[in-house]
Amino acid sequence: GAGVSQSPSNKVTEKGKDVELRCDPISGHTALYWYRQSLGQGLEFLIYFQGNSAPDKSGLPSDRFSAERTGGSVSTLTIQRTQQEDSAVYLCASNPVPGTPPYEQYFGPGTRLTVT
Amino acid sequence: KQEVTQIPAALSVPEGENLVLNCSFTDSAIYNLQWFRQDPGKGLTSLLLIQSSQREQTSGRLNASLDKSSGRSTLYIAASQPGDSATYLCAVIRLMDSSYKLIFGSGTRLLVRP
Repeated sequence: GAGVSQSPSNKVTEKGKDVELRCDPISGHTALYWYRQSLGQGLEFLIYFQGNSAPDKSGLPSDRFSAERTGGSVSTLTIQRTQQEDSAVYLCASNPVPGTPPYEQYFGPGTRLTVT
Repeated sequence: KQEVTQIPAALSVPEGENLVLNCSFTDSAIYNLQWFRQDPGKGLTSLLLIQSSQREQTSGRLNASLDKSSGRSTLYIAASQPGDSATYLCAVIRLMDSSYKLIFGSGTRLLVRP
């Protein structure tokens, strides 16, 4: 079956603009995660969805970042008033049922965001 | 706070060598440990997942071990090939803030020379 997909694969935007990044998880996966991979910072957790709710938003770096999920499927990560330090690869992952071993997460190819 | 460290940061070896990548974590309260491969400009490919009750997992030329008590994992690659060149990331899963999140190391960049 299809894996996790993300769009766009690359996004170049000007400082101050808003961007939306999309993630389509594997069909039937109820848990969805966003991570960010930036130079010098490694890969860091941003937010976790269980269904359409987000019980853990602890990794969002500022209030310019928000995310939503609809229909228990597609998720959108929105960055408002982008800054150069937002430049990174944004990765999405999903897994079938949270709290069920082995807790394996399946990753998408990522969206590379460049803020100029 | 859980910290994950990978050593070395970079490694260059001739083709055919056996090699070991190291991963250490500060808090042994983990659910599992996962090794990933990342090719330049690509996402993450899961290589091996070791549950906390397990000591090792094998897949082809790859063998990963886990010692929870000492906070260590190793990824052993046998008979390395140029196609193994990539960044290898280890990550632990912990239950934190209501989610089972992955906490990543900074990776080891591997170059296998023909």
